[in-house]
Amino acid sequence: ETGVTQTPRHLVMGMTNKKSLKCEQHLGHNAMYWYKQSAKKPLELMFVYNFKEQTENNSVPSRFSPECPNSSHLFLHLHTLQPEDSALYLCASSQDGPGQRGGRSGELFFGEGSRLTVL
Amino acid sequence: GDSVTQMEGPVTLSEEAFLTINCTYTATGYPSLFWYVQYPGEGLQLLLKATKADDKGSNKGFEATYRKETTSFHLEKGSVQVSDSAVYFCALRYGNNRLAFGKGNQVVVIP
Repeated sequence: ETGVTQTPRHLVMGMTNKKSLKCEQHLGHNAMYWYKQSAKKPLELMFVYNFKEQTENNSVPSRFSPECPNSSHLFLHLHTLQPEDSALYLCASSQDGPGQRGGRSGELFFGEGSRLTVL
Repeated sequence: GDSVTQMEGPVTLSEEAFLTINCTYTATGYPSLFWYVQYPGEGLQLLLKATKADDKGSNKGFEATYRKETTSFHLEKGSVQVSDSAVYFCALRYGNNRLAFGKGNQVVVIP
């Protein structure tokens, strides 16, 4: 138990569906992240939120839409996805996130991931 | 940009064997370096880290030394167990607390 919970653990969707991934952290952290993990590729940072504000969007297609209503919750809304979007989506959180002064531990706490399959 | 490179391919070895996973980095300056581990069905968790040259990170019998001269941070364990079977990721920190990860190495330990 890392203190970061992701739901659902598995999701199968068609290309025309709309679904959402949810992440909740119980660690009191101020930064949250979405990563994409595909086979045989490095983890790809998708979005970063610091104090609910998006501070990074790594050229992610608009069919992925993040939402961060508060420092403890992060969503990834999915619509009209492509089969190549099938991957494990990992949420992470950290304290002393981007833009914070002093003490950048660099330690990210990850959830167990949501395995997405797009048919 | 800053990046890490891990050796290609999975690693299969017998219980009690010596494990080495190579990691080299490219970066401006001297970034903090990390090893993360991902056990089956789980997310990544920090295994060890080093924040400056010649530092040695260690945890659970694993060690890695920050080598500035060879820009490396190789992971080693003297005697692996079946429970060490997992995927291991090398990473470096850059910019505003961003992590760049390697592709990961699948380690399979056979009883």
